[in-house]
Amino acid sequence: AQKITQTQPGMFVQEKEAVTLDCTYDTSDQSYGLFWYKQPSSGEMIFLIYQGSYDEQNATEGRYSLNFQKARKSANLVISASQLGDSAMYFCAMRQYGSARQLTFGSGTQLTVLP
Amino acid sequence: GAGVSQTPSNKVTEKGKYVELRCDPISGHTALYWYRQSLGQGPEFLIYFQGTGAADDSGLPNDRFFAVRPEGSVSTLKIQRTERGDSAVYLCASSPSGTSGIYNEQFFGPGTRLTVL
Repeated sequence: AQKITQTQPGMFVQEKEAVTLDCTYDTSDQSYGLFWYKQPSSGEMIFLIYQGSYDEQNATEGRYSLNFQKARKSANLVISASQLGDSAMYFCAMRQYGSARQLTFGSGTQLTVLP
Repeated sequence: GAGVSQTPSNKVTEKGKYVELRCDPISGHTALYWYRQSLGQGPEFLIYFQGTGAADDSGLPNDRFFAVRPEGSVSTLKIQRTERGDSAVYLCASSPSGTSGIYNEQFFGPGTRLTVL
């Protein structure tokens, strides 16, 4: 069974600073994908970044980067140069390769960017 | 282009009533997923469709929950004899294909907030 753990219920960051949101996962599979989603107060889940278990390079998408440490089973999201619009709930999720198509989500981290 | 749409955006019902929640996926997307998100939690998987068939319904909590996708596009999640514990946001997501590799970005709709009184 898969499990995603996000240990930071809430985080604060000053505008223009960088912030790291933690995510650890548990799986016995060798092939899997890790995702980060942003959920603003409007409720829609917005895909941010993806990391495959066999990818050797850490994924980057604009101001988002994923610090992937496979041996530690961690996939932390780094947001650089935080903006007020980054204030939202952030979810880490995992998907296994094979028959299981669904995403397994963590409990989320509420990020607040301070002006 | 249009994203995933869900109707209604809010639904208030009384305990014991029957409700239907609708999801209209992105055109051409063959895979469709339903998730349930309770307050303060991450979404939890309910059911996955590949085309018209339910490929995986292991997340449905009990037999009061049922979903259909008769023509391979729009899907309806049906809840019978609603209970207060069913109150949550029900999210729908679609993806181009459920069978391609690991990377399979799911595009989410805005959700339906169900409140059972």
